[in-house]
Amino acid sequence: SQKIEQNSEALNIQEGKTATLTCNYTNYSPAYLQWYRQDPGRGPVFLLLIRENEKEKRKERLKVTFDTTLKQSLFHITASQPADSATYLCALPPGYSSASKIIFGSGTRLSIRP
Amino acid sequence: GAVVSQHPSRVICKSGTSVKIECRSLDFQATTMFWYRQFPKQSLMLMATSNEGSKATYEQGVEKDKFLINHASLTLSTLTVTSAHPEDSSFYICSARDPGLNLINEQFFGPGTRLTVL
Repeated sequence: SQKIEQNSEALNIQEGKTATLTCNYTNYSPAYLQWYRQDPGRGPVFLLLIRENEKEKRKERLKVTFDTTLKQSLFHITASQPADSATYLCALPPGYSSASKIIFGSGTRLSIRP
Repeated sequence: GAVVSQHPSRVICKSGTSVKIECRSLDFQATTMFWYRQFPKQSLMLMATSNEGSKATYEQGVEKDKFLINHASLTLSTLTVTSAHPEDSSFYICSARDPGLNLINEQFFGPGTRLTVL
């Protein structure tokens, strides 16, 4: 079965800097990978999806890369702001036959200090 | 985007009682909904896939007789925690896919239900 690792449990950076979060997976290469944001006591909110044939995806200050050779996705927030402080989760389908359901990594708690 | 609601947002119950949590898709029809559980400072763990008009599919290690799922309509799935015990205390979150939006595999999550079993 698929395993997902988000290397940093917590990341603390200065406002204005670029935050980079890492998601590594093992076993097979998924058809897509997603990133979600979760605030305390709330459900996750979808941010970006990147497919296996895409190397990079951008949305405003967010950028996601997908390296199927390294089995890794990087999630970047440029010009970070205190409002970006939250837990960020990567997620992907657990198997080829499970295209509709997703499993989550353990998350990285990002704190942006003013 | 599509909106998913959950009710109640918080519930406190005595050990041995059953608790029902509702998950509704407010502005779309969801043939498939998912139920997750999240313990403090941990990630979301998928419990089961709820399919409208058929039996739910449970993940390995999740007791189907303990966590009853009913997806009776295209906009409502319910999770009933039967004979709840303190170890069932957790944050329960549902999600749904909106096939009508043509957003491949994006899931919309409810706000979650905090269950505390005394």
